[in-house]
Amino acid sequence: EIVMTQSPATLSLSPGERATLSCRASQSFSDNLAWYQQKPGQAPRLLIYAASTRATGTPARFSGSGSGTEFTLTISSLQSEDFAVYYCQQYYNWPLNFGPGTRIDIK
Amino acid sequence: QITLKESGPTLVEPTQTLTLTCSFSGFSLTTAGVGVGWIRQPPGKALEWVALIYWDDDKRYSPSLKNRLSITKDTSRNLVILTVTNVDPMDTATYYCGHRNPWDSYYDHWGQGTLVTVSS
Repeated sequence: EIVMTQSPATLSLSPGERATLSCRASQSFSDNLAWYQQKPGQAPRLLIYAASTRATGTPARFSGSGSGTEFTLTISSLQSEDFAVYYCQQYYNWPLNFGPGTRIDIK
Repeated sequence: QITLKESGPTLVEPTQTLTLTCSFSGFSLTTAGVGVGWIRQPPGKALEWVALIYWDDDKRYSPSLKNRLSITKDTSRNLVILTVTNVDPMDTATYYCGHRNPWDSYYDHWGQGTLVTVSS
């Protein structure tokens, strides 16, 4: 079973700032990683798959990178609608574990 | 347009069986590669992957829940059903169903979720 960890747990930033979120896997794999955004009271929304491919409708300010055990989600310039919780998920093997999430708060 | 919607009881007593239904449209669960999965989220906590059923009736379960889970599909009615036996207050969560991308096991569409509380 692959265990996913995310850091930091909370990120306090101002609109316009750059956000860098980390996701680490307990075992190495290529690029079988997705990122989801979840706002309060809403279902998660797919942002990135295959570690770096933006899903339909994901703004260009979101970018994903990494392989092996280290993955990163970067938001180049935070907009008000980006303050949310972000989860990574590996889909390399079963079970398809999610990370514990990173919350981005308004500073 | 792909849509999914979860339904089921809002309150279940401990030791009872929970049955949740995911009704979907915009795709067929007979198309190769397609799957529907369940993911749950306890209040204030992280997402937890639960189960997945493929178009060919292959099924995958969370190891920590496997003994209590069953996932089935009704392709004629576009439904996926999740059953959780012997529920416990720890099963209190919002349960989401999601459409598995046909080429890989990430979820590109999600239902709105349904909150299930386990309490006497």
